[in-house]
Amino acid sequence: DAGVIQSPRHEVTEMGQEVTLRCKPISGHDYLFWYRQTMMRGLELLIYFNNNVPIDDSGMPEDRFSAKMPNASFSTLKIQPSEPRDSAVYFCASSSLLGQPQHFGDGTRLSIL
Amino acid sequence: SQQGEEDPQALSIQEGENATMNCSYKTSINNLQWYRQNSGRGLVHLILIRSNEREKHSGRLRVTLDTSKKSSSLLITASRAADTASYFCATGMRGGSEKLVFGKGTKLTVNP
Repeated sequence: DAGVIQSPRHEVTEMGQEVTLRCKPISGHDYLFWYRQTMMRGLELLIYFNNNVPIDDSGMPEDRFSAKMPNASFSTLKIQPSEPRDSAVYFCASSSLLGQPQHFGDGTRLSIL
Repeated sequence: SQQGEEDPQALSIQEGENATMNCSYKTSINNLQWYRQNSGRGLVHLILIRSNEREKHSGRLRVTLDTSKKSSSLLITASRAADTASYFCATGMRGGSEKLVFGKGTKLTVNP
């Protein structure tokens, strides 16, 4: 039973470059969440989708961040242009129903130099 | 801003001892969930307790919820070295929001 799959696991890039993070949720899950985890701020919700539609993007820090979900099995989080303060671990999670437990991927560790 | 706040921030115990972690929150909730995160991995759901429940068990885990005090506790009995991880509480807020709000976690170290 495949869990949430994220790629890449690690990304190191220079400031100003475009970064694309990818996520494949668990099949049949209608909700997809993107989180960012840092030591200073903990785990922050960036955006979530329901049935591929963005519902709440109030956590997206700036216009440099964008997320899409073109179909039920794929989502991307894009940062353009990237900055050193974007360095963090980015998690994708999915769930089947309102308020139900979320299943997390193993994250993408992003370092912006 | 964080809804749940875990206490303590870090806890170190010996194998076989019990570990208790606490979570406090601010607003009315539908449910409260506990998650575990091993180093370099994603969060794993442990247990969910609804606002009308007071206690719940799952194996060596025991969760209590006191809505009057807006607090919850997670007890791990007979701890093992493999329980070493960070533990987070997450609150699902009343009003139907699908969002969970996570605390900053308790880092538990179980020494063999």
